[in-house]
Amino acid sequence: QQQVKQSPQSLIVQKGGISIINCAYENTAFDYFPWYQQFPGKGPALLIAIRPDVSEKKEGRFTISFNKSAKQFSLHIMDSQPGDSATYFCAASNPPLNTNAGKSTFGDGTTLTVKP
Amino acid sequence: EAQVTQNPRYLITVTGKKLTVTCSQNMNHEYMSWYRQDPGLGLRQIYYSMNVEVTDKGDVPEGYKVSRKEKRNFPLILESPSPNQTSLYFCASSLYTGGWRETQYFGPGTRLLVL
Repeated sequence: QQQVKQSPQSLIVQKGGISIINCAYENTAFDYFPWYQQFPGKGPALLIAIRPDVSEKKEGRFTISFNKSAKQFSLHIMDSQPGDSATYFCAASNPPLNTNAGKSTFGDGTTLTVKP
Repeated sequence: EAQVTQNPRYLITVTGKKLTVTCSQNMNHEYMSWYRQDPGLGLRQIYYSMNVEVTDKGDVPEGYKVSRKEKRNFPLILESPSPNQTSLYFCASSLYTGGWRETQYFGPGTRLLVL
């Protein structure tokens, strides 16, 4: 119930293209869905996050789409650039007062390569 | 500079030799957490702490211990390391305002090899 399934495992996109990474979850109590970006040799860094009261959040070239009924959310990277090449993780966590309030569950990661 | 620091960054040890990986943050964050990252398995939470003297198990706590005696420090202890604990470890911290966790800030990672 705490799992988050992420796909694809790897993704190759041409420069200027759209990168799409998907995540699905089972636990309907999750209420915070961040995406993290990780470059080789570095720790993950928050890219963008959404709460389930909205269906979409956009920050620059990065957009999260959230489908509460389907229990799915996705990251869209518009106009993908070689500098976007990194590993991306989706995650989910529980609300305060939930038994698992402090737990964070991450997807397995997607390695994105943007070709020049 | 606001940051999470981990030490050591790289460690090679042998089975059964107790070790401690330190984690410190200078952002006055209430929440701290440890993760391990293994190829194809993403990040898995080991332990977390909502505040001083409050710690809870994550998804993979077996073989690990933690303590939170001060707000800024959250050491990870391997009492008797085994080869299956060879991994890349990350510490993270975040604010915990009004019960809501904010952005998690990750440290640079500690790469551990247990022979």
